[in-house]
Amino acid sequence: GEDVEQSLFLSVREGDSSVINCTYTDSSSTYLYWYKQEPGAGLQLLTYIFSNMDMKQDQRLTVLLNKKDKHLSLRIADTQTGDSAIYFCAESTGGFKTIFGAGTRLFVKA
Amino acid sequence: DGGITQSPKYLFRKEGQNVTLSCEQNLNHDAMYWYRQDPGQGLRLIYYSQIVNDFQKGDIAEGYSVSREKKESFPLTVTSAQKNPTAFYLCASSIPSGTSAANTGELFFGEGSRLTVL
Repeated sequence: GEDVEQSLFLSVREGDSSVINCTYTDSSSTYLYWYKQEPGAGLQLLTYIFSNMDMKQDQRLTVLLNKKDKHLSLRIADTQTGDSAIYFCAESTGGFKTIFGAGTRLFVKA
Repeated sequence: DGGITQSPKYLFRKEGQNVTLSCEQNLNHDAMYWYRQDPGQGLRLIYYSQIVNDFQKGDIAEGYSVSREKKESFPLTVTSAQKNPTAFYLCASSIPSGTSAANTGELFFGEGSRLTVL
C-alpha cells in the first residue's frame, strides 16, 4: 500500500539551513504537503506542491520534488529556534485520503 | 475566527469505560476526519465523513465509533473494545482536493485531545 517515510530527528544550529527529506511510494500522488506541529498542538499546513512541479519557494521555505525517485525535501533557510517542531510529509491522490509520514523532529540549537 | 475546536484537551479514563471526544468546526467544510497519533508513528486515520449522516472506516477503526448528525460536529467514541486507547487524537476538516481548481485538500486540524487510560 501507500507509504511515506522520513527520518525521525534532525538537529541544526541557529542560522544554518535545515533540510528534511521524505520518500513516498504512490506514483499517482497529486499533492504533496509539509505540515508543522508545535508541541501539544495540532498540525498546520506549511506548504504544498503539485506533482507537476519540481520546486516551490515561499520566503524561507524551499520544496524540491523528484518524481522519478519519489523524493520530497523541505529546506528551511536561516533556521530559528522558533522553527523547532515536528515536520510531517504527506501525500494525497485527491479526494479524502492523505497519507502521513512519521514526522521529523527538528531541534534548533542556539 | 473560523476553526476546529476539540474538547477535552486532556482526558483520563479507567479501563473498561467508553469515552467521547468532541470535535466542532465552523469552517463550513463538508469533510471531517479523526486521526490517532502515537510517538514515532505518522497519523493514522480512524474514521472520516464526507457529508452529514455518512461516515467511512479508516485504517484503524476497530474499537472506535463516530456519528455525523450535523455538519459542524463529528464526535469520536473510544469504546472499551479499543485495546490500546492511550494516544493523542486529532480531528480535522477539509474541502477535498479536486472539488474545485482552488482546493488542494489541505487539512485543518484542531488542537488535539490527549487520552490516557489508567
